[in-house]
Amino acid sequence: DQQVKQNSPSLSVQEGRISILNCDYTNSMFDYFLWYKKYPAEGPTFLISISSIKDKNEDGRFTVFLNKSAKHLSLHIVPSQPGDSAVYFCAAIQYNAGNMLTFGGGTRLMVKP
Amino acid sequence: GAVVSQHPSRVICKSGTSVKIECRSLDFQATTMFWYRQFPKQSLMLMATSNEGSKATYEQGVEKDKFLINHASLTLSTLTVTSAHPEDSSFYICSARETSYGYTFGSGTRLTVV
Repeated sequence: DQQVKQNSPSLSVQEGRISILNCDYTNSMFDYFLWYKKYPAEGPTFLISISSIKDKNEDGRFTVFLNKSAKHLSLHIVPSQPGDSAVYFCAAIQYNAGNMLTFGGGTRLMVKP
Repeated sequence: GAVVSQHPSRVICKSGTSVKIECRSLDFQATTMFWYRQFPKQSLMLMATSNEGSKATYEQGVEKDKFLINHASLTLSTLTVTSAHPEDSSFYICSARETSYGYTFGSGTRLTVV
């Protein structure tokens, strides 16, 4: 049972435009969500997170939106840059279940110059 | 910020041999470390959770005797792939939890078993 899903395996956008990466989850008990960026043959690096009690968190070019009723979150990157090309994973944590990360399948973002 | 050092970054070994991967938290004490495995074009799958001074907790389907995890100190956890076979070839990543929600990942180890 995949509790965190990223239904788009890949996304291609033009430099300067907005990139929107989506993530859906099924476990309503998740109380914290994170986005990680990963380059090939490297470990994931933390990008941005959001608590379940919020619906938006912004950090520079990155904004995460959370819609709890729809069990959906999205990562917006504006403006997109070629260096943003990577695989993006969303992850969720349930605090009273060991605080372990549950990852989505990842979305490969390609930003074209 | 918190740094987790993982070594080696890549290793090639012969089938039947064992390989040890180290994960160190450099500027914080990690009472809990996590080991993940990533197959090509797939997500990170949690293999096991290691707690300092106690036995690791393995996820369902992960062979305890094949993937030995030791967390002898607050800054070091090791994963040993014993009697490696080609199907063990994968990308292994460790992670340490610094705060309730603060996870830091190592840079990963590409294991190739020939």
